[in-house]
Amino acid sequence: EAGVVQSPRYKIIEKKQPVAFWCNPISGHNTLYWYLQNLGQGPELLIRYENEEAVDDSQLPKDRFSAERLKGVDSTLKIQPAELGDSAVYLCASRGPSGELFFGEGSRLTVL
Amino acid sequence: DQQVKQNSPSLSVQEGRISILNCDYTNSMFDYFLWYKKYPAEGPTFLISISSIKDKNEDGRFTVFLNKSAKHLSLHIVPSQPGDSAVYFCAASFSGSARQLTFGSGTQLTVLP
Repeated sequence: EAGVVQSPRYKIIEKKQPVAFWCNPISGHNTLYWYLQNLGQGPELLIRYENEEAVDDSQLPKDRFSAERLKGVDSTLKIQPAELGDSAVYLCASRGPSGELFFGEGSRLTVL
Repeated sequence: DQQVKQNSPSLSVQEGRISILNCDYTNSMFDYFLWYKKYPAEGPTFLISISSIKDKNEDGRFTVFLNKSAKHLSLHIVPSQPGDSAVYFCAASFSGSARQLTFGSGTQLTVLP
């Protein structure tokens, strides 16, 4: 069974540039999450989707961050414009039937 | 306010000995706890979990203990192996949060050969 797939794995951009991350969850997993992980910290939730509906986006900085999951499967997370403080790993996860989360390998963003 | 705390950023243990990783939480509504393991450049992977109706759950070399009165849980790895060297995250959730996980900041375990 394929796991959660994320791309790109690494992205280096200059500040004020846009960036987008893509996630394909495990087949059949209706709940999808985007997490932010700063160095030396645990993952912090940005947004949670139930199918195509964003049911919790309270931690998403909406002035520059946006996300979508149009068909309830793949999801994209966008930052526009990126700031230096956005450098982090962006993790996508989907939830299995027993409640555990399965994470992708993450997208490491470096903003110069 | 950190609801899940891992106060030890790092731990070193000799191969074959026991590793004990600790986690404290403040939200009494948490009723499900998980440990995740993370290797460099990889996403966290699920290791073991425990429901609040239990005080112990064991899976091979890994055992998680839950002390609800102290709001404390621990992960025991015995015997420790060099391949166990990774960052371990404690996470917690409760049914009213749609099982949304709150993570601790992680503990880097190094198992020395």
